[in-house]
Amino acid sequence: QSALTQPASVSGSPGQSITISCTGTRSDIGAFKYVSWYQQHPGKAPRLMIYDVSDRPSGVSNRFSGSKSGNTASLTISGLQAEDEADYYCSSYTSSLNYVFGTGTKVTVL
Amino acid sequence: QVQLQESGPGLVKPSQTLSLTCTVSGGSISSGNYYWSWIRQHPGKGLEWIGYIYYSGSTFYNPSLKSRLSISVDTSKNQFSLNLNSVTAADTAVYYCATVGGGGGWFDPWGQGTLVTVSS
Repeated sequence: QSALTQPASVSGSPGQSITISCTGTRSDIGAFKYVSWYQQHPGKAPRLMIYDVSDRPSGVSNRFSGSKSGNTASLTISGLQAEDEADYYCSSYTSSLNYVFGTGTKVTVL
Repeated sequence: QVQLQESGPGLVKPSQTLSLTCTVSGGSISSGNYYWSWIRQHPGKGLEWIGYIYYSGSTFYNPSLKSRLSISVDTSKNQFSLNLNSVTAADTAVYYCATVGGGGGWFDPWGQGTLVTVSS
């Protein structure tokens, strides 16, 4: 199972919006609603930010939103803040009854 | 709310077995609402799903690790465990346990992670 493809890095200025893409196949992202996104600060465990493509857990800012089109999922962070600087990973359930993560994207707030 | 805590040796010799335990608190591992998963992260790298188990003992493993991997559950202790045999330096990583929620949709919450180094 190959990792989902994410851009290595994305940057933006405070207040701007950025979008991180996550490309898979019709056997994972394209097949299920089970796409999730995680934020990871250095030395910390990942934190769930989006689940089921576009739902936000309680406590996650509404500046974070998710979507999916075909085999590609996206995470958008609007009103970028310094605290958003972190690594972000997507994940999807697969038709092989397992899970695959994305390659990870480092978000830098300029 | 459910909390998870990994425990186990931080150093394992090559060719030996890596054994970790995840203790679940704030909820019952037997509730049937969740699957229980292991995930690892090589130093400076991305996340890799290892496998998961249901309280009944049903397991699903990453095909790339399946031949060396065993995940088990102890409902009496509210714990689940990971055993990875014949380890090499490539198995050096931070190992996380996590709850699989939403019928399989997401990983939340996560344990804090534990670094396991494979070295002689």
